[in-house]
Amino acid sequence: GEDVEQSLFLSVREGDSSVINCTYTDSSSTYLYWYKQEPGAGLQLLTYIFSNMDMKQDQRLTVLLNKKDKHLSLRIADTQTGDSAIYFCAETPPDQTGANNLFFGTGTRLTVIP
Amino acid sequence: NAGVTQTPKFRILKIGQSMTLQCTQDMNHNYMYWYRQDPGMGLKLIYYSVGAGITDKGEVPNGYNVSRSTTEDFPLRLELAAPSQTSVYFCASSYEKLSTEAFFGQGTRLTVV
Repeated sequence: GEDVEQSLFLSVREGDSSVINCTYTDSSSTYLYWYKQEPGAGLQLLTYIFSNMDMKQDQRLTVLLNKKDKHLSLRIADTQTGDSAIYFCAETPPDQTGANNLFFGTGTRLTVIP
Repeated sequence: NAGVTQTPKFRILKIGQSMTLQCTQDMNHNYMYWYRQDPGMGLKLIYYSVGAGITDKGEVPNGYNVSRSTTEDFPLRLELAAPSQTSVYFCASSYEKLSTEAFFGQGTRLTVV
């Protein structure tokens, strides 16, 4: 399977920016995603980026993609306590066997300190 | 506005018992998936379905079975529960392949003792 890596924990103060990092192994991935998981809930898609893009901005969220280094990051501006959650990076490799799979990282638990 | 609904939310099984995790979606999605999430790990795909009557294995299918008799329902069956199947199980659906948004259920926390 694919190897998607993230650091496990991140703590930031309310109002600061958060940056969550992810590295992936499949350079031919077509889509890369950020999902958010709040306590006791399922995953919710936050944003995604096509592999031919370098950056995508959506309100407080900025996604940066460095294909050369296979590095994806999610920046949350003006982090709020409601942003406390686990954030998963995921990739979709090119459809080789029809597997329709998302390969997830381990998740980064973001704690926002008031 | 139900989305993806999973039942039960929690279950404790004894080794060797069987059970079915239910999943239903009301969005008329063709694609449905079952994932398991182990502590400190990402989600792993167990089985998926691209439409009624069609299922296929994911990364970790051993010990599980699925069926897809209707578009709405995608139950996951554990025939002989083992401690290694202690995990949180998530069902998801999407209109097309996972290049579009996948909607997840709230999860079923299963403990096998």
